Formats: sequence, structure tokens, C-alpha cells
Amino acid sequence: GAVVSQHPSWVICKSGTSVKIECRSLDFQATTMFWYRQFPKQSLMLMATSNEGSKATYEQGVEKDKFLINHASLTLSTLTVTSAHPEDSSFYICSAREQGNTEAFFGQGTRLTVV
Amino acid sequence: AQSVTQLDSQVPVFEEAPVELRCNYSSSVSVYLFWYVQYPNQGLQLLLKYLSGSTLVKGINGFEAEFNKSQTSFHLRKPSVHISDTAEYFCAVRENTGGFKTIFGAGTRLFVKA
Repeated sequence: GAVVSQHPSWVICKSGTSVKIECRSLDFQATTMFWYRQFPKQSLMLMATSNEGSKATYEQGVEKDKFLINHASLTLSTLTVTSAHPEDSSFYICSAREQGNTEAFFGQGTRLTVV
Repeated sequence: AQSVTQLDSQVPVFEEAPVELRCNYSSSVSVYLFWYVQYPNQGLQLLLKYLSGSTLVKGINGFEAEFNKSQTSFHLRKPSVHISDTAEYFCAVRENTGGFKTIFGAGTRLFVKA
């Protein structure tokens, strides 16, 4: 099956700093990537959808200036949490799909802890 | 807009017993339906999906689900669970309109006891 890799798998950062999370499709070209946020013991909430070469489409209530998404190539999308605060601590998961494929594949997630 | 309701937040069950995790959805258009499993601190793994055709779908690890359009349900079943099935299970729906926005249910924690 298709493989999506996220890096890092966990990160701890200081309040006020920025953190970048990478999402890579290893064996297919991801025309669309999705970023989700998951709070403890809760479901996944879609944050944004990004198409390669285009600006990301953010869900209502998600601050686009705080959560910067870049999808500059067909195999890489990045999520940058800017000026992180403790309330941004969460599990962030990406998924990616190839054009023509009905299924999107998930990365293993990144646990962000802001101290 | 579509929505997904997982009726049970937790399901405790003894090993080798059968289990059913319930999922209901609502949508004004036809949908694709999915079940995912998540182990602690990991991403999601697809168990099975319904796109079209036979309403009984078989997935990995002995799981199966049945799509019931009249009841707008997609319940997940396994005839005999193992300790290793302990995990969080998410039902998800995506509208069959070309978009790929997937909505997830709140999740059901399956806890298998020895």
C-alpha cells in the first residue's frame, strides 16, 4: 500500500517558537494533502486541505496565519505552527491522496507539546 | 453537509466474544464510508471501506461492516475479538461528489479483556 511519512513523530518546543511538521508521500504523487488535529480522546478535526501548487483551503475557525501550510511539491506538504502556545499542544495527522485514487493514506502523526 | 455519529464511546468486551461498533451517518448525497483503527500515538489504518456494490464489506483483521442505506448505518463487526484489537476505532464518511473532505466520528474505544 501507499506510504505517507510524517516527521517528526514527536516534538517539544517552547512557547512563542515555531514548529514545522513534514508530510511526505513516499511512493506516490500526492495531488491533495489534508491536515488534521486530534485532541486527547477525541476525533480528528480537519484543519485544511492543500492541493499541490495552490493555497490551502482552511476549515472554519482555523487560523491560517497561525497554521501555515505549504504544498510545494507532489510529495511534500508542511504544516508550520507559528508562535506556538500550550493550547496548540495536540496530535497532528496528515493524509494524502493521489489523483484518481478514492483512498487517502494517513501518516503516523506528530505529537506536539508546547511548554 | 455530512455528519457521523458513533453511538458508543467505549465498548468493553471479553476476548473471543463478538463485537459490534455502531456508526450512523447523515448526508444529502451518496457517500463513501470508511472504518479506521488507531493504536496509541499512531496514525490511522484503514480497516475497510464501502464505495459501491455489495453492502457487506470485509476488511483486514477479520472485521466486516454492512452498509444499510435505509437506516443510514455502517456498523462494524467482528465475530471473535483478540486482546490485540484493543484500540480506537473511527467511522468516517466522504461525499461521493468528487471532493475528498472526510468527516470522522468521535471514535469508539474498544477494550478487550482477558
